[in-house]
Amino acid sequence: DVHLVESGGGLVKSGGSLRLSCVGSGFSFGSFSITWVRQAPGKGLQFVSSINSGGQHHLFEESLRGRITISRDDAKSSVNLEMDKLRPEDTAMYYCVRDDSGYPRMRLDSWGRGTMVTVSS
Amino acid sequence: QPVLTQPPSVSGTPGQSVSISCSGTDSNIGVSAVSWYQQLPGSAPKPLIFDNSQRPSGVPERFSGSRSGTSASLAITGLQSDDEAIYYCASWDDSLGGQGVFGGGTKVTVL
Repeated sequence: DVHLVESGGGLVKSGGSLRLSCVGSGFSFGSFSITWVRQAPGKGLQFVSSINSGGQHHLFEESLRGRITISRDDAKSSVNLEMDKLRPEDTAMYYCVRDDSGYPRMRLDSWGRGTMVTVSS
Repeated sequence: QPVLTQPPSVSGTPGQSVSISCSGTDSNIGVSAVSWYQQLPGSAPKPLIFDNSQRPSGVPERFSGSRSGTSASLAITGLQSDDEAIYYCASWDDSLGGQGVFGGGTKVTVL
């Protein structure tokens, strides 16, 4: 079975930084793109960032570009999302998702359970 | 504001059919495939449709998708009480360097 497990969420003050991690198992991790999707409380889904298999292409939601960094370590089957200059509006559940392709195309076939990030003002 | 436009809600009685629309532009749905996801309260989203109309393994045939031009739709036939959920469309947008986009979500209520 495919499993994705997120970690690193928590309470952080506005202006602070956070590093989210996602570890995958049950599949050939390096062959797939990984995407982060977030959901603010009571709101809809929002694309955050994707990284392709091989890690050459880093894609970001336009409004978040410059504040986030994505990276992967296929030897550890992990993807990290680093977020800087956090704002209260970044408060959300952050999901790590497998994209069923080597290059991201929103074919999001396996979702983690999410890690909650809360930014206090 | 979500890039893709969905109606906030649709409703139907058990056994009926409902349809959810998803409207985009030439830079997303017009050139990229559409996927659909179902989210039950308190759970992560679950994929329903990939590549406009393909059902992943295990998804009932009652769920079907289609795309035409810059719009897509999800149809649910034989509505059941456990279909009550929020449904999201998604696609890839080639503008702004390339990014994923979602619709705002449609709440399906089974009356």
